[in-house]
Amino acid sequence: GAGVSQSPRYKVAKRGQDVALRCDPISGHVSLFWYQQALGQGPEFLTYFQNEAQLDKSGLPSDRFFAERPEGSVSTLKIQRTQQEDSAVYLCASSSRGGMNTEAFFGQGTRLTVV
Amino acid sequence: QKEVEQNSGPLSVPEGAIASLNCTYSDRGSQSFFWYRQYSGKSPELIMFIYSNGDKEDGRFTAQLNKASQYVSLLIRDSQPSDSATYLCAVGSGSARQLTFGSGTQLTVLP
Repeated sequence: GAGVSQSPRYKVAKRGQDVALRCDPISGHVSLFWYQQALGQGPEFLTYFQNEAQLDKSGLPSDRFFAERPEGSVSTLKIQRTQQEDSAVYLCASSSRGGMNTEAFFGQGTRLTVV
Repeated sequence: QKEVEQNSGPLSVPEGAIASLNCTYSDRGSQSFFWYRQYSGKSPELIMFIYSNGDKEDGRFTAQLNKASQYVSLLIRDSQPSDSATYLCAVGSGSARQLTFGSGTQLTVLP
């Protein structure tokens, strides 16, 4: 695709429900990042993949958060037993090289609301 | 303590003026510095990056870095109403596997 595609764009989940957020990066991009952005704040790092390898997951806030990128392309961020504090926009970004030193392109994000 | 600090604003400048956006960071080992623009409800888009001390110019935008003072700034010359957005400063380590973002400065350019 022409850009980073995320789905769904909006998700409302009842507290305790599991959710899965999808990111389809720019074709051929090696690096994929997940960030969480709360209202009025800057994005906060969650995790980083280089191809299928998850090289950094230090930003995942709890063991309820899990991310995978099994074939080095599409990635899924899963949140189990959602809590109200999980409400945020989840942003995915990809770049053609390792890390974000080169231009990284963000998707439009998934706005998660936990009620 | 947040590692990247920005004045949240809002900052208002008249059309045609120079807008100056500032950012300080706490990690002296930081090696890469980025400015992103984010329109309301949209995703961040990269404006500029800078790695070395001094100035870097790209069109109407100039990024300035002073590693000794742990300070990075963005100047927007001839500001336009379309520049009205939130500007995010982001800082990375050498590998830049993750960026640390500030909370952003909201800029409004008044026609």
